[in-house]
Amino acid sequence: EVKLQQSGDELVRPGASVKMSCKASGYTFTDYAMHWVKQSPGQGLEWIGTIIPLIDTTSYNQKFKGKATLTADKSSNTAYMELSRLTSEDSAVYYCARTPLDYSSFFDYWGQGVMVTVSS
Amino acid sequence: DIVLTQSPALAVSLGQRATISCRASQSVSTSSYNLMHWYQQKPGQQPKLLIYDASNLASSIPARFSGSGSGTDFTLTINPVQADDIATYYCQQSRELPNTFGAGTKLELK
Repeated sequence: EVKLQQSGDELVRPGASVKMSCKASGYTFTDYAMHWVKQSPGQGLEWIGTIIPLIDTTSYNQKFKGKATLTADKSSNTAYMELSRLTSEDSAVYYCARTPLDYSSFFDYWGQGVMVTVSS
Repeated sequence: DIVLTQSPALAVSLGQRATISCRASQSVSTSSYNLMHWYQQKPGQQPKLLIYDASNLASSIPARFSGSGSGTDFTLTINPVQADDIATYYCQQSRELPNTFGAGTKLELK
């Protein structure tokens, strides 16, 4: 069974950073790309970026360059996203989701989401 | 960026057909593929893939869901609508980066 298990919800201070994880199981981690998607309260979905663990290559939405840093650890089948210099605009649910490594990037499995609350 | 436009809400009766549309600001089709995908999201849950490449049913999705379209105009159809289908539906394109999503269509009971 494919599963993407994300780390727990976070309460962080403005200006701080947060790093969240997404542990993959039930498939070969390097056969897929891992993406991160933001959903602000009551809002839609925004694509943040992707990492291809096989070749350790990243691609970011221009909007999130400098905000998000994506990494992956092949030894533990875990993807990470760090968000820096947090403001209230970063309060949201963050999902990891995988896509196949071919012509079409559809998100066939999603993590359960991490709620990040930025508050003093 | 490719902008995807969806109607905010659609009211339907149980047992009837629901048609949800998504219009792209430019073509999301190649000579071989229509790179539009559909997701269902219920409150407090992660999105779930329903349809990929415009018309392919994702694994374990009931056959009452179907998708069609090409170029800039795409449709998700639910027929017949069941109570469990009340949710928000998003389209997503993967023709070019950044991947973008529509704002979502909330399916409501009439």
